[in-house]
Amino acid sequence: KQEVTQIPAALSVPEGENLVLNCSFTDSAIYNLQWFRQDPGKGLTSLLLIQSSQREQTSGRLNASLDKSSGRSTLYIAASQPGDSATYLCAVMDTDKLIFGTGTRLQVFP
Amino acid sequence: EPEVTQTPSHQVTQMGQEVILRCVPISNHLYFYWYRQILGQKVEFLVSFYNNEISEKSEIFDDQFSVERPDGSNFTLKIRSTKLEDSAMYFCASSLSRGSDTQYFGPGTRLTVL
Repeated sequence: KQEVTQIPAALSVPEGENLVLNCSFTDSAIYNLQWFRQDPGKGLTSLLLIQSSQREQTSGRLNASLDKSSGRSTLYIAASQPGDSATYLCAVMDTDKLIFGTGTRLQVFP
Repeated sequence: EPEVTQTPSHQVTQMGQEVILRCVPISNHLYFYWYRQILGQKVEFLVSFYNNEISEKSEIFDDQFSVERPDGSNFTLKIRSTKLEDSAMYFCASSLSRGSDTQYFGPGTRLTVL
């Protein structure tokens, strides 16, 4: 059974720092991996999708990597801003469904 | 930019009552999903739907739950007899294809069962 874990559970950093969020999964047979952002009490905003055949995806200040063989993905956020404060969720696609991690709650303070 | 919409944003109901949560997926999408998130817990898959049929469902999706696409635009989740433990945020999602495509999520419906 696929399990998705994210560390750290929470992170508080000053504005401007580069940071790395980690996601690990137990079964490497995935279709893709998505990173989402969730603001308190709100829906999920898709940030990046990495296909299982890809190693990396970039969007603006965000870069996500995927190492299927080791069951890991990282989300790199460059030059963090207070507006980046949110919970970041990693999810792996298993046939027809996304399996989510518990998320990393990020706070960026000015 | 097209988006998934959900109504209502918040629904309060008494235990044992039936509720219907509504979603309008992105118009050219073919695959539809329901997920839920109990407060403080992970987002969990409930059901996927394609070509007017359930394609996969989780253990959570028991006989109390049903889904329907009553017309060309709406996708609904019905809970027949709500329990206290059904209180959660329910998210609808849609995608163009299966497996390889981004799933786009709606803003959610917060269901409170009293």
